Amino acid sequence: SQQGEEDPQALSIQEGENATMNCSYKTSINNLQWYRQNSGRGLVHLILIRSNEREKHSGRLRVTLDTSKKSSSLLITASRAADTASYFCATDPSLGAGNMLTFGGGTRLMVKP
Amino acid sequence: ETGVTQSPTHLIKTRGQQVTLRCSSQSGHNTVSWYQQALGQGPQFIFQYYREEENGRGNFPPRFSGLQFPNYSSELNVNALELDDSALYLCASSRAGTNNEQYFGPGTRLTVT
Repeated sequence: SQQGEEDPQALSIQEGENATMNCSYKTSINNLQWYRQNSGRGLVHLILIRSNEREKHSGRLRVTLDTSKKSSSLLITASRAADTASYFCATDPSLGAGNMLTFGGGTRLMVKP
Repeated sequence: ETGVTQSPTHLIKTRGQQVTLRCSSQSGHNTVSWYQQALGQGPQFIFQYYREEENGRGNFPPRFSGLQFPNYSSELNVNALELDDSALYLCASSRAGTNNEQYFGPGTRLTVT
C-alpha cells in the first residue's frame, strides 16, 4: 500500500509556466522528500523538508508542508521541457536509518516546448 | 547520477524460476534498501539492510530475500517467480544517522513470462 497520494496524476503545461503538485499522507512523519524519475529510470532526490519546517526552496523548486493537514506541495517555477518527468513524494516515518520511505503514486509532468 | 550501480539492466525470466539482482552502494553509505516499482506506480518498499542484517521489511512474501556484504553491496533474490513480479527493481543506498535521504540506482527491469 502507498501512504502518499499525489494530485494531479498527470499535468501538462507550456514551457515557462509554473507546475504545482500536491501530496497527501496518512501517518505522522519525520520528514517528507520529493523525487524525480525520468522515463522508468532511477529516482533522483530533489528536496527534503523536515516535519518542523513549513517551506523550503531549492533553485526553481519550492516545497511546502502542512503537518496539520498531512499534505505537501511541490512548485516548479518557470518550467522547462527538461522538467518533463514523474515526480514522487515519499514520507519517512521515523528518525535515523532502519526505516522505509513510503512513496505515492506520482505525478506525471509534461512540459511542452 | 548517483554512485549506486545495479546489474543486470534488463532480465527476462520464466515463471517459477529464481533471480538474483545486484547493487553496489554509493561510497560512504552503509544502508541499502530495495524497492519494487510496477509500471505506472510508485516504488514499494521491499526491505532494507544495515550492517549485513535485514532492518525493516515491507509487505512482500518470504520468497523475496536479500543479502548485504561487508562492502555494503547487496543482492535481492526472488524465488518461484510469478508474472506479477514483472517490474523495475530499484536499489537505494543511504547513510545511517542521516535524514534517510536515499540515492537510487538506475534499476533492473525484470520481465517474467
